[in-house]
Amino acid sequence: ETGVTQSPTHLIKTRGQQVTLRCSSQSGHNTVSWYQQALGQGPQFIFQYYREEENGRGNFPPRFSGLQFPNYSSELNVNALELDDSALYLCASSLGRGDYEQYFGPGTRLTVT
Amino acid sequence: GENVEQHPSTLSVQEGDSAVIKCTYSDSASNYFPWYKQELGKRPQLIIDIRSNVGEKKDQRIAVTLNKTAKHFSLHITETQPEDSAVYFCAAGEGGADGLTFGKGTHLIIQP
Repeated sequence: ETGVTQSPTHLIKTRGQQVTLRCSSQSGHNTVSWYQQALGQGPQFIFQYYREEENGRGNFPPRFSGLQFPNYSSELNVNALELDDSALYLCASSLGRGDYEQYFGPGTRLTVT
Repeated sequence: GENVEQHPSTLSVQEGDSAVIKCTYSDSASNYFPWYKQELGKRPQLIIDIRSNVGEKKDQRIAVTLNKTAKHFSLHITETQPEDSAVYFCAAGEGGADGLTFGKGTHLIIQP
């Protein structure tokens, strides 16, 4: 077991609403990355947080935002939800900003109707 | 940005046979190439990885090879077992802030 946890497990929202997803990193890991995995696709990088600051970002619009807390847990916030936001949202933690190995949590399944 | 192509999308092999999954990448700056296994409804699990200063790495029945010149890397699974059935993803990255770029996955089916 990797130790990365996420909540909630499943979530159903309506188009236009806002959602917050949560992630607790593995013990000793100070870097958290978020990925979106659409059905039948590989994960897509959203952004990474290191020591409470956004450290890198993929090709996602500003309505995807995040936070990291002093205990290295993290939140992903998505505003103005669209139907295409329906996906599995995965967080992955790593030992440090320059560290390579990323260990994934179980994900949050978001459905937008 | 980086682009990772993965083939085949589905691979069916007899139990005990070998399986090979291939990936190509586009960004010569990428220097880290992990492989993840994802069973239905579960998290991606890191099974093996390789860095650009190494050409091959083995871990029991699993091996990964890397050809930096051709920008391709492959996963080899020998003596396949029913529990190897899953979706396998390759990925490439520079390590750190830019995250990993994943392939679209290979559904590996082990026939009894």
